[in-house]
Amino acid sequence: GENVEQHPSTLSVQEGDSAVIKCTYSDSASNYFPWYKQELGKGPQLIIDIRSNVGEKKDQRIAVTLNKTAKHFSLHITETQPEDSAVYFCAATQGAQKLVFGQGTRLTINP
Amino acid sequence: DAGVIQSPRHEVTEMGQEVTLRCKPISGHNSLFWYRQTMMRGLELLIYFNNNVPIDDSGMPEDRFSAKMPNASFSTLKIQPSEPRDSAVYFCASSLAMARRTDTQYFGPGTRLTVL
Repeated sequence: GENVEQHPSTLSVQEGDSAVIKCTYSDSASNYFPWYKQELGKGPQLIIDIRSNVGEKKDQRIAVTLNKTAKHFSLHITETQPEDSAVYFCAATQGAQKLVFGQGTRLTINP
Repeated sequence: DAGVIQSPRHEVTEMGQEVTLRCKPISGHNSLFWYRQTMMRGLELLIYFNNNVPIDDSGMPEDRFSAKMPNASFSTLKIQPSEPRDSAVYFCASSLAMARRTDTQYFGPGTRLTVL
């Protein structure tokens, strides 16, 4: 089955700096890679996703890159703000609909 | 439009008791997922349904866990009997599944279960 590794487990950056979170996956058949943000006491919320037919996708301060050959994908947050502090999860598909999640990255933005 | 609705938000029970968690998916969605989140194991898929039919229950930990989806608007996850190791946050998610395409899963707020 699919295995998703996520690094780092914790990340602390200064407000205004960039943050990068990386994930690797094992199943070359995976074709959908979402990123979720989870705030304390809430459910995960999708912030961006990418499908295997593209290498990069951007949405304002957030971007995701995908390297299918190396089987890794990354989340980039630029100009970080205090409200970006949360736990971020990457995921990859296993089969048609199942998602396998990484272990999460706790991101802290220091003012 | 309302998102995924889960109840109760918090549940505290004693070991051996039956626990029922409830979920109402987003209207029009045809796939429903139950996840469990713990510090040790992260976010794990327990079971998912397509068009009210269970498709994959390989993540259900043991026979004490069961899930049903009697109609497109309602699903339950039952634990009987409950044990302290079942303490976790249980999430329900729904999506609009299309042929040969994985689509966005929208998560509910979760039910925090504590088994004493």
